[in-house]
Amino acid sequence: EVLLEESGGDWEQPGGSLRLSCAASIFTFSAYAMSWVRQAPGKGLELVSVISGSGDNTYYGDSVKGRFTISRDNAKKAVYLQMRGLRAEDTATYYCARLSGPFYSDYVSFDSWGQGTLVTVSS
Amino acid sequence: QSVLTQPPSASGTPGQRVTISCSGSNSNIGSNYVSWYQQLPGTAPKLLISRNSQRPSGVPDRFSGSKSGTSASLAISGLRSEDEAGYYCAAWDDSLSGHVFGSGTKVTVL
Repeated sequence: EVLLEESGGDWEQPGGSLRLSCAASIFTFSAYAMSWVRQAPGKGLELVSVISGSGDNTYYGDSVKGRFTISRDNAKKAVYLQMRGLRAEDTATYYCARLSGPFYSDYVSFDSWGQGTLVTVSS
Repeated sequence: QSVLTQPPSASGTPGQRVTISCSGSNSNIGSNYVSWYQQLPGTAPKLLISRNSQRPSGVPDRFSGSKSGTSASLAISGLRSEDEAGYYCAAWDDSLSGHVFGSGTKVTVL
């Protein structure tokens, strides 16, 4: 069974920074692209960022481009989201989700999800 | 405002068939695969349907997906109380070069 566990969520002031981590219990971790998907309180799902299995390619949603950075450490089976310049609208539960293949493309789906970590941005 | 439009709510009685629509455009649903996700109250989303109509292992065959043109549908047959949840569609959008999610539909079992 695929297990993903997020950590690092916290309260932060506008303009601050946070780093989220996702630990995976996947044997062939590098064979899968990984992503961060967020959900604001009472709202729908929004794709934040994706990183390919090798780490060579990344994708960012328009709302976080230039502020967030995704990275991964295949030896540690972990993926990270460095968040800078936080805004109130970044307040959400952030889910780590595995994609169904090593590359980010139209044919993949988000096939395993962690339980999420809450980020609150408020003064 | 989501690129993919879903009805905010749907409902049915136990045993009934409920269908949820997901409307998009040629740049997303019209030319790419659709996936569906179930989110039970207070829990993380779960993949229900991939590549328009494929059920992952463990997903009951009461759930089925289809696509026609720029719209997709998720059908739940033999509705059960444990199906009460939020349901989201998703598809790759060519203009964004990334996935977009639908606005979500809350299914209530009466």
